[in-house]
Amino acid sequence: DIVMTQSPDSLAVSLGERATINCKSSQSVLNRPNNKNYLAWYQQKPGQPPRLLIYWASTRESGVPDRFSGSGSGTDFTLTISSLQAEDVAVYYCQQHFDTPSTFGPGTKVDIK
Amino acid sequence: QVQLVQSGAEVKEPGASVKLSCKASGYNFINYAMHWVRQAPGQRLEWMGWINTGNGNTEYSQKFQGRVTITRDTSATTAYMELRSLRSEDTTVYYCAKGSDRNYPNWFDSWGQGTLVTVAS
Repeated sequence: DIVMTQSPDSLAVSLGERATINCKSSQSVLNRPNNKNYLAWYQQKPGQPPRLLIYWASTRESGVPDRFSGSGSGTDFTLTISSLQAEDVAVYYCQQHFDTPSTFGPGTKVDIK
Repeated sequence: QVQLVQSGAEVKEPGASVKLSCKASGYNFINYAMHWVRQAPGQRLEWMGWINTGNGNTEYSQKFQGRVTITRDTSATTAYMELRSLRSEDTTVYYCAKGSDRNYPNWFDSWGQGTLVTVAS
């Protein structure tokens, strides 16, 4: 199975400041024929199901604010919240859907400092 | 709009089976995969398996192979997940999630509200 790791486990950022979350896969999730990274990011607030933010590592889902961006390729990826808002307090998960079983990272909790 | 509405909470004894449902609406059910994912409190999400809602083909995580069956009723636009031989470690929230395409690989673009299953004697 592809193992996903994330760092940090948690972070606290001031309102309006940048938050950066890292995700690493144990093997590449780049599909060379179409040059797509099969990596998604989700946001989960307490008591709610996950919400898709980013797919193909860097494509923002419809309706997701443009302060959320994804980058990276191969095995190393980053989710950036450019200007943290109060409503962004949540746990963020990366997921690889390159191979089965699809696997998720352990999550990064984002709070307001 | 896409909606996935899951069945209500269940309490089961160890060794029993549970069958959860996920009613889909707002899109063409047979054109998108349906996945099942579970999440223990404070833990990462765990993928259990998926079904091609068009042809009924399934694939399961090795961890649950032999204990889980995912099915669908296209006329009812509903997917089901049955988990057998329940143990205490199966106490968790179960989600259905719509795939972004008919076939794997795909990301999960809509999620049900979750169903809590409690396994206790």
